[in-house]
Amino acid sequence: GAVVSQHPSRVICKSGTSVKIECRSLDFQATTMFWYRQFPKQSLMLMATSNEGSKATYEQGVEKDKFLINHASLTLSTLTVTSAHPEDSSFYICVIAGEQETQYFGPGTRLLVL
Amino acid sequence: AQSVTQPDIHITVSEGASLELRCNYSYGATPYLFWYVQSPGQGLQLLLKYFSGDTLVQGIKGFEAEFKRSQSSFNLRKPSVHWSDAAEYFCAVGRAAGNKLTFGGGTRVLVKP
Repeated sequence: GAVVSQHPSRVICKSGTSVKIECRSLDFQATTMFWYRQFPKQSLMLMATSNEGSKATYEQGVEKDKFLINHASLTLSTLTVTSAHPEDSSFYICVIAGEQETQYFGPGTRLLVL
Repeated sequence: AQSVTQPDIHITVSEGASLELRCNYSYGATPYLFWYVQSPGQGLQLLLKYFSGDTLVQGIKGFEAEFKRSQSSFNLRKPSVHWSDAAEYFCAVGRAAGNKLTFGGGTRVLVKP
């Protein structure tokens, strides 16, 4: 199956700064990627669907200007949290829609905004 | 809209005892159903999935799940739990195999020695 990496695995930043999270597919051409977030002790919530070469589709309630998604290649999608605030502290997970009815989960990025 | 309910937030089970985690879904068509496990501070690992065919699905780590359309359920079971099974378990439903997923709230499993 596909191997998915995320970088960084953990990040701490000050309030008001921007943070970029990378999601890489190491051995699979990912046409579609999903970005989820998971608040402490809660379930995963879909933020957006990212298709290579086109604009991401955001779920209701997710601010597209705050969570910038760029899926410029078949192996890389980035999520940028702009002007991060403490309430953005969460576990961000990318998922690649793969072949043979499979989804591949990244290991996640834990963001802490102080 | 699809939704997933995991009625049990916490379950405590003794090591060696059986485990059953409940999952109920709401979806208008034939769902694609998944169970994932998440250890503390870790990402999600797929335990098993159901798309069609045999309603009893075998997964990794000795887990199985049964799809019951009449009850809109997809409960996860394991005959004998190990201490390493202590984790959070998520049930999820999708409209298609490679499509976005809706997750249940999760069930945290604690294993007593």
